[in-house]
Amino acid sequence: AQSVTQLDSQVPVFEEAPVELRCNYSSSVSVYLFWYVQYPNQGLQLLLKYLSGSTLVKGINGFEAEFNKSQTSFHLRKPSVHISDTAEYFCAVSPGGYQKVTFGIGTKLQVIP
Amino acid sequence: DAGVIQSPRHEVTEMGQEVTLRCKPISGHDYLFWYRQTMMRGLELLIYFNNNVPIDDSGMPEDRFSAKMPNASFSTLKIQPSEPRDSAVYFCASTTLRERGRGEKLFFGSGTQLSVL
Repeated sequence: AQSVTQLDSQVPVFEEAPVELRCNYSSSVSVYLFWYVQYPNQGLQLLLKYLSGSTLVKGINGFEAEFNKSQTSFHLRKPSVHISDTAEYFCAVSPGGYQKVTFGIGTKLQVIP
Repeated sequence: DAGVIQSPRHEVTEMGQEVTLRCKPISGHDYLFWYRQTMMRGLELLIYFNNNVPIDDSGMPEDRFSAKMPNASFSTLKIQPSEPRDSAVYFCASTTLRERGRGEKLFFGSGTQLSVL
């Protein structure tokens, strides 16, 4: 079994400030890790993913995430946020080579002008 | 490619009525997923298909829910009878493992906003 915990349901941050959205996971097997973004009234879009190799993963729109196996974390970061980053962000986990993706409950990022 | 197409975009119905949600996956994708999104429970996997065959329906809340995939380009999620607690956004997503090694990326439709009065 696998699970994902997103520790913050809402994160307000001022424009141009840095942000970190936290994600912890649990799994009995090795996993793939993902961050998806959902803009208002839209479906989810893949932001970035970790499969193997370098633990620092860079995604679209200037976001990056770091896989920490010992802490079972995959936190999402951006050094300077923009108004257009206002959205809901979902962390997700999938057992390697298998299709069942489990999503976290989501973190709403609100960028304040 | 047009992406994953869901219809209708919005559905308002009365309690007890049958509701049918539709999904057209991306051509060539062999996995299809139905998710439900609510404020309280977030995004929940209801059921998924591989090559039109249901693989895991453990997320389907109860017998009122059923899903079919008669062919590779069409799937339905039916609720009969509907109840107010079924109100949610229902997403369909598709993907393929043919690009193995590139990792699974789900492609989501825009969702169906269901309101049961």
